[in-house]
Amino acid sequence: DTAVSQTPKYLVTQMGNDKSIKCEQNLGHDTMYWYKQDSKKFLKIMFSYNNKELIINETVPNRFSPKSPDKAHLNLHINSLELGDSAVYFCASSQGGGRNTYGYTFGSGTRLTVV
Amino acid sequence: GESVGLHLPTLSVQEGDNSIINCAYSNSASDYFIWYKQESGKGPQFIIDIRSNMDKRQGQRVTVLLNKTVKHLSLQIAATQPGDSAVYFCAENGNDYKLSFGAGTTVTVRA
Repeated sequence: DTAVSQTPKYLVTQMGNDKSIKCEQNLGHDTMYWYKQDSKKFLKIMFSYNNKELIINETVPNRFSPKSPDKAHLNLHINSLELGDSAVYFCASSQGGGRNTYGYTFGSGTRLTVV
Repeated sequence: GESVGLHLPTLSVQEGDNSIINCAYSNSASDYFIWYKQESGKGPQFIIDIRSNMDKRQGQRVTVLLNKTVKHLSLQIAATQPGDSAVYFCAENGNDYKLSFGAGTTVTVRA
């Protein structure tokens, strides 16, 4: 069983399109995250949700809208895609804020390519 | 900028030798640190963690050292194997709900 699963694994789309990435965790964690990894492998947090409530929004453009229908799911919708949005997007989960647990569990990533 | 970083972007090591990967952090309030391993095409995977009330923690073939005086973290891998080839990240949990990552060190194991 995959603990944190993301779909799709690869996404190629044209500039200006709207796309969504889905994430589900079966670990029973109450907190979920979206991270963006650029071409230099740098990992940057975008959002974190605790029990469906938005906790962190790291000055991400408002074209990015996360949605958490329940604590096991965190989806990411991106409007009007731009070339600079090309990256690998990772979903992660933790129990609580992460400091009292073994950090975060990450999904395998969604490679988004905007052409 | 980010508060966590690694000293070297790449490390080449002979199979069987020990590897040392270094990391500096700047947030004095951070009290929990984690090393992650990321293999090609996969997400970061937990290796070992350490809390600020400790200065050393050992796992299977890995040891993490924490020096709070100089805000330095290191990961030692004993008897490096080809399967250890990956990108290694240190991360700090200075605040709940936000794990900050360094830039990563790419480790290549030579046969």
